[in-house]
Amino acid sequence: GNSVTQMEGPVTLSEEAFLTINCTYTATGYPSLFWYVQYPGEGLQLLLKATKADDKGSNKGFEATYRKETTSFHLEKGSVQVSDSAVYFCALSGYSTLTFGKGTMLLVSP
Amino acid sequence: GAVVSQHPSRVICKSGTSVKIECRSLDFQATTMFWYRQFPKQSLMLMATSNEGSKATYEQGVEKDKFLINHASLTLSTLTVTSAHPEDSSFYICSARGGDRDNQPQHFGDGTRLSIL
Repeated sequence: GNSVTQMEGPVTLSEEAFLTINCTYTATGYPSLFWYVQYPGEGLQLLLKATKADDKGSNKGFEATYRKETTSFHLEKGSVQVSDSAVYFCALSGYSTLTFGKGTMLLVSP
Repeated sequence: GAVVSQHPSRVICKSGTSVKIECRSLDFQATTMFWYRQFPKQSLMLMATSNEGSKATYEQGVEKDKFLINHASLTLSTLTVTSAHPEDSSFYICSARGGDRDNQPQHFGDGTRLSIL
């Protein structure tokens, strides 16, 4: 079956630091990959997506590249802000459903 | 675009009460809607998938008589937690998708915090 593995958090960074949150997946076929962000007490917001190998999704300074050879979709941002503090979920779609990773909490301090 | 509204955002009620949660897609037609449950500091657990005009498909271990799902229109799905008990207290989140293709993202509501006393 499909599965998503994310690095465990929390990830603690200072403002303007570089961010990487690792995500690897196992899937049959050619899934689409997503990153969602969840702020405290809220639902999930789509951050970015990639639908095929070598696609790069980007939004609000965040990027992730769909790497089929390494089955990865790592999330990166060059300079994080305090407002980026949230939980980030990597997800893949297949068989009409989303499979989520366990989430990685990011804490950014001023 | 792609806004999903979930209501209410918070419910506190007594044990034995039935609670209805609404999920609406405001600016698109949602062929498929999903209901999730999230425990503190954990990921989302898919409870059921509903398609407009048909019965919901429940995940293994989810009681269909306990969690009633109705997807009566392309913009509205409801989840009713029947005879709720303290163990049903959780954060429930709905999502909606505009088509059947896997490369189309799900758009999420802001969730409902259900607390059963």
